Amino acid sequence: AQSVTQPDIHITVSEGASLELRCNYSYGATPYLFWYVQSPGQGLQLLLKYFSGDTLVQGIKGFEAEFKRSQSSFNLRKPSVHWSDAAEYFCAVGTGNQFYFGTGTSLTVIP
Amino acid sequence: DGGITQSPKYLFRKEGQNVTLSCEQNLNHDAMYWYRQDPGQGLRLIYYSQIVNDFQKGDIAEGYSVSREKKESFPLTVTSAQKNPTAFYLCASSDQFSGNTIYFGEGSWLTVV
Repeated sequence: AQSVTQPDIHITVSEGASLELRCNYSYGATPYLFWYVQSPGQGLQLLLKYFSGDTLVQGIKGFEAEFKRSQSSFNLRKPSVHWSDAAEYFCAVGTGNQFYFGTGTSLTVIP
Repeated sequence: DGGITQSPKYLFRKEGQNVTLSCEQNLNHDAMYWYRQDPGQGLRLIYYSQIVNDFQKGDIAEGYSVSREKKESFPLTVTSAQKNPTAFYLCASSDQFSGNTIYFGEGSWLTVV
């Protein structure tokens, strides 16, 4: 069965520091992979997605993610975090019209 | 603008009452979904619909009902049988022509008083 694991429930980083959020998935074939961001009381906004091709994908707000098939991972990165990046981040796997979400990583940014 | 509109944003329900959350999309997507999110928790699938007049139960369908009479609309009814309905509800849609990407509405808060 498909599953998505985000091992870090909560991460705190200083503004300007780099960020990496981890995501591991379990799926038999190469899945569609996504990262979403959610601000409190809001819906989920798509940051980026991977379908095929270049394993390093660029997204909005300066985020990028790298697909590593050998590690079944799709980690999200940002070189320099801004205070406005504080939010909940969800990794997801898509197979056709079925989607599986991780439990999310809450990001706190300190000045 | 294209998107997914959920209404109302905030809803209060008395115990024993049914309430209906609206979800409308103008993205021309075939598939629509309802998720429930509890504070600090992830998303749990309630119902989904791949096509008009057809829908399937998700992981937590008990106490909820849906209909899909039009492609653009997928209302969710929270019935009195739902024992703990206070939560944040998210509607979403997807389509193979959108690259099999799921998009979300802004959510609806339901509180039982």
